[in-house]
Amino acid sequence: EDKVVQSPLSLVVHEGDTVTLNCSYEVTNFRSLLWYKQEKKAPTFLFMLTSSGIEKKSGRLSSILDKKELSSILNITATQTGDSAIYLCAVVWNNDMRFGAGTRLTVKP
Amino acid sequence: KAGVTQTPRYLIKTRGQQVTLSCSPISGHRSVSWYQQTPGQGLQFLFEYFSETQRNKGNFPGRFSGRQFSNSRSEMNVSTLELGDSALYLCASSSRDRDYEQYFGPGTRLTVT
Repeated sequence: EDKVVQSPLSLVVHEGDTVTLNCSYEVTNFRSLLWYKQEKKAPTFLFMLTSSGIEKKSGRLSSILDKKELSSILNITATQTGDSAIYLCAVVWNNDMRFGAGTRLTVKP
Repeated sequence: KAGVTQTPRYLIKTRGQQVTLSCSPISGHRSVSWYQQTPGQGLQFLFEYFSETQRNKGNFPGRFSGRQFSNSRSEMNVSTLELGDSALYLCASSSRDRDYEQYFGPGTRLTVT
């Protein structure tokens, strides 16, 4: 069965720490993997990844896809309290799209 | 540019009724996708419309349907509501397709009693 698994489910760190969030998938005919940040209600788009080994970067956030390992990581360096949120990954294949359960990140001052 | 708007924001319905939710995308965006979010199942993809055509569909029963108008506004309809349909329904628009940069609306919170 096609699935998307995120780990860890929950993470508590202190400001200034670096975190690495994982997303692994088992789907056929992979098309893309997306990362979102969800704070209150609506998710906000972070990255779209389609090619292995090419890092996408935005400020302190970066992400990379490994098609061989069927996984992606999202890195956040020098975390701030404003990074506290649920981070979702989603995988698109064929006509479907599936989200992982998310990683709840809490950054303490 | 105005963001994605959804109406209504909150809705309470009774089992067996039907409901229609509306989504107005960002001006110029032709792709509108719908999602259901529940504590138990997380965020799930319902369907995507592009230029008035349903382009992709998730694994939901036929009670869930949608349409898109020529101005890209989209509606989602759920017939014969069940308690399990209680959820936050989100729509998102994109200038290209759902795996391009999507902008989400605030959602419609549907409660079925």
